[in-house]
Amino acid sequence: DAGVTQSPTHLIKTRGQQVTLRCSPKSGHDTVSWYQQALGQGPQFIFQYYEEEERQRGNFPDRFSGHQFPNYSSELNVNALLLGDSALYLCASSLLVTTDTQYFGPGTRLTVL
Amino acid sequence: AQSVTQPDIHITVSEGASLELRCNYSYGATPYLFWYVQSPGQGLQLLLKYFSGDTLVQGIKGFEAEFKRSQSSFNLRKPSVHWSDAAEYFCAVGRSGGSNYKLTFGKGTLLTVNP
Repeated sequence: DAGVTQSPTHLIKTRGQQVTLRCSPKSGHDTVSWYQQALGQGPQFIFQYYEEEERQRGNFPDRFSGHQFPNYSSELNVNALLLGDSALYLCASSLLVTTDTQYFGPGTRLTVL
Repeated sequence: AQSVTQPDIHITVSEGASLELRCNYSYGATPYLFWYVQSPGQGLQLLLKYFSGDTLVQGIKGFEAEFKRSQSSFNLRKPSVHWSDAAEYFCAVGRSGGSNYKLTFGKGTLLTVNP
């Protein structure tokens, strides 16, 4: 049973560029949440997707957007990258109709130069 | 708004010693509470969780945590630490009353284990 997978593992971009990160949820899960973890900090909630719609959003600007596909996989897009967007981006999956735990992927390390 | 405080940024213990990592939360009702562990460069692994019922919960790797409503705390304990326990530990709170919750994390406690 595959867990949560994320790609790519590492990414280097320059300021002003755009980036897309990808996440495949754990088998049987239908909900995907994205978190940003800056160096030395705990993860911060960005948004959550279910049924291809954004259900909840944290305190992040509109430069952060996402998408969920019919197979429940998800993308996180960040436009107009800033140096402060450098972080580990974590994807977590869960099953909406239960109080199931959120299972995290290994993350994508984004460096903005 | 929900929040989590982990008062200890860094803790050092000797291998074989007992461990307690502190976590205090702020939430308007009974929350969902979690402890996750993160090894360097890795994602988060769930150690244990509390949703309801018995306030002492057992997790993986010999960890346990106790929910104390009166103190708004959910401290993590282990009776005897192993060198492989060295990692960063995060306490998190989620909204109760159903699924589709978001997690709010503390800033983490880095655990160093001396031989």
